[in-house]
Amino acid sequence: DQQVKQNSPSLSVQEGRISILNCDYTNSMFDYFLWYKKYPAEGPTFLISISSIKDKNEDGRFTVFLNKSAKHLSLHIVPSQPGDSAVYFCAASTGSARQLTFGSGTQLTVLP
Amino acid sequence: EAQVTQNPRYLITVTGKKLTVTCSQNMNHEYMSWYRQDPGLGLRQIYYSMNVEVTDKGDVPEGYKVSRKEKRNFPLILESPSPNQTSLYFCASSFKTGDEQYFGPGTRLTVT
Repeated sequence: DQQVKQNSPSLSVQEGRISILNCDYTNSMFDYFLWYKKYPAEGPTFLISISSIKDKNEDGRFTVFLNKSAKHLSLHIVPSQPGDSAVYFCAASTGSARQLTFGSGTQLTVLP
Repeated sequence: EAQVTQNPRYLITVTGKKLTVTCSQNMNHEYMSWYRQDPGLGLRQIYYSMNVEVTDKGDVPEGYKVSRKEKRNFPLILESPSPNQTSLYFCASSFKTGDEQYFGPGTRLTVT
């Protein structure tokens, strides 16, 4: 049973508009959440994270929102650029070992 | 340049022929980990290591072995590969447990 779910395998957005990528989780013990971006033939790269004590974290064009009661987080990219086209993974961790549990990923395509 | 390297990048082998995928990081990171990526399943952790001589199982350890004899290296060993181990493998490291992880470029393994 997947504890971290990204229900949209793909998303297409026009350049300059907002991209919203969603992620749901089932384990209430998760207390740290991350987003990674992955281009073809490369490893994932860290994008942004949020601790469960916050509900929002911003870094430039990227904002992550956390709704603990709904066990839901989202990544907003504003404005979207063609270079943002990639697979986005959300991940969650808990416990002393801080193992990451990943979602299945969402392919974002930003159309020029 | 700070990086995680993996070798080989591509490997085709036959069932039962032992193989090793090497992973090395030059950032003096304590934490290292192996993941496999499969369609629709995201990245799943195979093994991780919180420091030299300390390794532990992730979510899908069956059929794999690891060792951490020195800080920079964390090889993944498949003693008797089987076709269900055909996958894309990523090594990752972080300064310490819980920090965001840096990923290698991936190793695509095909077992026939």
